[in-house]
Amino acid sequence: GAGVSQTPSNKVTEKGKYVELRCDPISGHTALYWYRQSLGQGPEFLIYFQGTGAADDSGLPNDRFFAVRPEGSVSTLKIQRTERGDSAVYLCASSPTGQETQYFGPGTRLLVL
Amino acid sequence: KQEVTQIPAALSVPEGENLVLNCSFTDSAIYNLQWFRQDPGKGLTSLLLIQSSQREQTSGRLNASLDKSSGRSTLYIAASQPGDSATYLCAVISGTYKYIFGTGTRLKVLA
Repeated sequence: GAGVSQTPSNKVTEKGKYVELRCDPISGHTALYWYRQSLGQGPEFLIYFQGTGAADDSGLPNDRFFAVRPEGSVSTLKIQRTERGDSAVYLCASSPTGQETQYFGPGTRLLVL
Repeated sequence: KQEVTQIPAALSVPEGENLVLNCSFTDSAIYNLQWFRQDPGKGLTSLLLIQSSQREQTSGRLNASLDKSSGRSTLYIAASQPGDSATYLCAVISGTYKYIFGTGTRLKVLA
């Protein structure tokens, strides 16, 4: 079956703009996670959804970052007033119930000029 | 706060060598530990998952060990091949879902 997909694969934007990054989890997975990976670093946890609700958003760096999952499947990570420091690979993962291994998507490479 | 460190940061070996990648973590109260492979421009591929009650896991030429009390895990790769070239990431899992990653080891296997 299909794995986790993310769109776009690459996004270039200008400082101050708004961006949306999309994640399609594996069908039937109730748990969804967002991570951010800066160059030369490991991924850092941002937010965890269980169904439609954010069970843990402790990793979101500030209030410019927001994520939704309105129907408990697709999720959108939204970044307002982008800054150059937001440039990174944004990874999404899903798992069946939240207590198993996570399956990662290919990521969205965001570059803020 | 849990911190995960991987040593070395980069490694270059000739084809056929056996090698060991190291991962250390500061808080031994972990749920699981998982090793991933990341190819350039790609997502993460799970290699081995070790539950906290286990000491090691094996898959083909890969063997991962876990010593919770000392806060260490190793990934052993036997008879390395050029196709093994990638970045290897270690992640400790706190609670049931929060992955905390190390910075990775960039491996290059020379033909």
